[in-house]
Amino acid sequence: GQNIDQPTEMTATEGAIVQINCTYQTSGFNGLFWYQQHAGEAPTFLSYNVLDGLEEKGRFSSFLSRSKGYSYLLLKELQMKDSASYLCAVSDSNYQLIWGAGTKLIIKP
Amino acid sequence: EAQVTQNPRYLITVTGKKLTVTCSQNMNHEYMSWYRQDPGLGLRQIYYSMNVEVTDKGDVPEGYKVSRKEKRNFPLILESPSPNQTSLYFCASSKGVEGTEAFFGQGTRLTVV
Repeated sequence: GQNIDQPTEMTATEGAIVQINCTYQTSGFNGLFWYQQHAGEAPTFLSYNVLDGLEEKGRFSSFLSRSKGYSYLLLKELQMKDSASYLCAVSDSNYQLIWGAGTKLIIKP
Repeated sequence: EAQVTQNPRYLITVTGKKLTVTCSQNMNHEYMSWYRQDPGLGLRQIYYSMNVEVTDKGDVPEGYKVSRKEKRNFPLILESPSPNQTSLYFCASSKGVEGTEAFFGQGTRLTVV
């Protein structure tokens, strides 16, 4: 079956760095997405990786290793507004998105 | 402003009473989909549409219907809602399926009693 695994919850301190991991097993691979979702709100797009390596976008970076079925989202200089759930999603061989359950990130002052 | 609009935002209904959740996008996107989100589970796709008059089942289609008569609208229909359909529903649209970001509506929190 298809499976996306991410930690359920993580805690970090304001100003620090946090890495949220995502491992996947899917039938085919056409890219991996990260979305941010604040409580009670819609998910919003953060990043897309289809080739191995690191994609940097401001305070957020996303890394992909296709051979390992692994990705991470790196958040630097954490701010209180970064408290949210982070969703990993893989586009499979039919270009359908398979979603992880999300990682709830709690930022403490 | 580019957006996906869902209505209503909140709905409480009784078992068996037909309801429709509307979804409209103003970005001329071809691909639209419906998801439900339940605690501890990822977003699960209910139905999707690649274009007008083209719809297909997602992972959890039972108890739901959709239609795509025009490009901008993709309503979700629950003919006979049941309590296990109590959930948070999201409509999403994207330009296509290959590597394009999805834009989500604000969500509809549905409670079936």
